[in-house]
Amino acid sequence: EPEVTQTPSHQVTQMGQEVILRCVPISNHLYFYWYRQILGQKVEFLVSFYNNEISEKSEIFDDQFSVERPDGSNFTLKIRSTKLEDSAMYFCASNRDRDNSYTFGSGTRLTVV
Amino acid sequence: GESVGLHLPTLSVQEGDNSIINCAYSNSASDYFIWYKQESGKGPQFIIDIRSNMDKRQGQRVTVLLNKTVKHLSLQIAATQPGDSAVYFCAENRGGSNYKLTFGKGTLLTVNP
Repeated sequence: EPEVTQTPSHQVTQMGQEVILRCVPISNHLYFYWYRQILGQKVEFLVSFYNNEISEKSEIFDDQFSVERPDGSNFTLKIRSTKLEDSAMYFCASNRDRDNSYTFGSGTRLTVV
Repeated sequence: GESVGLHLPTLSVQEGDNSIINCAYSNSASDYFIWYKQESGKGPQFIIDIRSNMDKRQGQRVTVLLNKTVKHLSLQIAATQPGDSAVYFCAENRGGSNYKLTFGKGTLLTVNP
């Protein structure tokens, strides 16, 4: 069964450093998303991406965040200057159609120290 | 503010019993209500959704009930199996072109052998 692949599975970074979280969505999917989950809390929407541009972003997704789909397969989330409160599990998801049945990756656990 | 929440944080059932996981919502304008399952170390996995103009929808071993009068959503799992042990999230889709999901906090279902 096709999977959404995220790397790395765990990243530790110093406060103020830039991080890039990588995702390979399912190949024939058109809609891409990043969500995050702070430990013990809800899964929160960050950004949606379609047709090579951001289609919607949340208030969490401020100027420190950016997304890119640099080639036909990768979808990246960059945090320019990490803060302690950015520590969370970051999930990439993709969808072939506009519906509710996303396919999520297994996540990248980001720890900012 | 948040509009999707869960009544109980944990639920423990015996293998073979039926499970009922509940969720309250406050946003009457949501188009869809969705259930996701998250196993330990994995991303959320789509289970089933229900459109807001429906009362009931059945899937394989699962039934979702929507009571719009009291703004309540439930997921019923028949003949619960150990593999059903996971955190279950309800989520809502408020419409729009991006199918952004707003998740609730989650209920941990533990199935005892």
